Amino acid sequence: SQTIHQWPATLVQPVGSPLSLECTVEGTSNPNLYWYRQAAGRGLQLLFYSVGIGQISSEVPQNLSASRPQDRQFILSSKKLLLSDSGFYLCAWRIGGPYEQYFGPGTRLTVT
Amino acid sequence: GESVGLHLPTLSVQEGDNSIINCAYSNSASDYFIWYKQESGKGPQFIIDIRSNMDKRQGQRVTVLLNKTVKHLSLQIAATQPGDSAVYFCAENYFYSGGGADGLTFGKGTHLIIQP
Repeated sequence: SQTIHQWPATLVQPVGSPLSLECTVEGTSNPNLYWYRQAAGRGLQLLFYSVGIGQISSEVPQNLSASRPQDRQFILSSKKLLLSDSGFYLCAWRIGGPYEQYFGPGTRLTVT
Repeated sequence: GESVGLHLPTLSVQEGDNSIINCAYSNSASDYFIWYKQESGKGPQFIIDIRSNMDKRQGQRVTVLLNKTVKHLSLQIAATQPGDSAVYFCAENYFYSGGGADGLTFGKGTHLIIQP
């Protein structure tokens, strides 16, 4: 069966520091991968999606970037964090159709 | 308990009652809809889906209704239990502006609170 991992689970970082969040999927090949951000009490905002290694698309311009160095690995990064980057970051995967996406446990990021 | 209006941020129901959570979607071309449940501090969990060629689909204690005429989706939870407390999101399929992929766009969510 497929599983999705995210780490770290929680992170507190100062403004201006770099960021690296990792997501890995097991038990499937060539999935579509997604990064979402969820502010407190809000809905999900799609940040990036990837249909394959090295293929990254962004839905919303921001202070963040994403990379997919391996088929089942998706990384979210920032060179300098802003206070507004605080939130709950969710990784999701999908393979084939229909459109159902499966979410990881999330990373709670607090920028101080 | 039944929610009144669309997209209530919070819905409070008595344990054992039926819950109805409503959602309005925006794109008349959407042909696939999902309900997710998100417990505090966790990632969203798939509950049930429905295609646009259906009006109703039932799962275990849950039913999704789709009214394409008014672009309205609802989730009914029978005999609500304390474990049903969560935020519920509807999602519709969506074609990304960057091309090459499609995915989901999510509603803002409804927080379901179960009263003992």
